[in-house]
Amino acid sequence: SQTIHQWPATLVQPVGSPLSLECTVEGTSNPNLYWYRQAAGRGLQLLFYSVGIGQISSEVPQNLSASRPQDRQFILSSKKLLLSDSGFYLCAWGPQGNHQPQHFGDGTRLSIL
Amino acid sequence: QKEVEQNSGPLSVPEGAIASLNCTYSDRGSQSFFWYRQYSGKSPELIMSIYSNGDKEDGRFTAQLNKASQYVSLLIRDSQPSDSATYLCAAPGSGTYKYIFGTGTRLKVLA
Repeated sequence: SQTIHQWPATLVQPVGSPLSLECTVEGTSNPNLYWYRQAAGRGLQLLFYSVGIGQISSEVPQNLSASRPQDRQFILSSKKLLLSDSGFYLCAWGPQGNHQPQHFGDGTRLSIL
Repeated sequence: QKEVEQNSGPLSVPEGAIASLNCTYSDRGSQSFFWYRQYSGKSPELIMSIYSNGDKEDGRFTAQLNKASQYVSLLIRDSQPSDSATYLCAAPGSGTYKYIFGTGTRLKVLA
C-alpha cells in the first residue's frame, strides 16, 4: 500500500530564516505531487505541483519554491520566511491520470515569529 | 475559473440524525468526485469517491452524484459526535493535473 511521509509536524521559525519541508511517498511510482497551504479556518491553497522529476508548476507567486530531486520526493523551500508564510502545509500525492483521489500527508504546522 | 462550492456551515445535527452535505461544481468535464473529512488541526482524509451518477454507499456514508445538475452530496446516517469535522468536496480539474477543492462544510453533531 502507498504511504506518504511529511516532516516535521511542527516548526517555529523566525522571520527571515530559511525553510525546508520534505515529503516522500512510498509504494507507488511516478506519482503527481502537490504542496498546499491552509490558513486557519480556511480552504486549501495549491502552491505547487509536479508531474515528474524536475518538473514544477507554481500556482501562486510568492517567496516559496519547490523541487523534486527524486521520483517520490518533494521539497518546499524558502530563502527568507515572512510572517504571512505561517500556516498548515500539506503534501499530497495522486496517481497519474488524476481521476483517482489525492492522499495527504499529516501536514506541517509552521509558525513564524 | 473551475469551481467547487460548498456551504461553509456550521451544519448542526443531533446525534443519530442524518447529516446532508452538499457540493456543486462548475466543470462539466469532471468525471470523478471525492469527499474528505478533516478534523481540526489534522490533514484531510479521503472517505468517499464517486465516479458515476447515482448513489454509492459505504457503511454509514452515502455519496450521491447528479452530473446533469452538477451536484454531489454526502449523507451520513446515524451521525455521531465523532463525525464532527469539516468535510471537503473535491474534483480533478479536467485537462489539468490539479484538483479543485471546495472550502468545506463544518459539521457539528450534538450529543
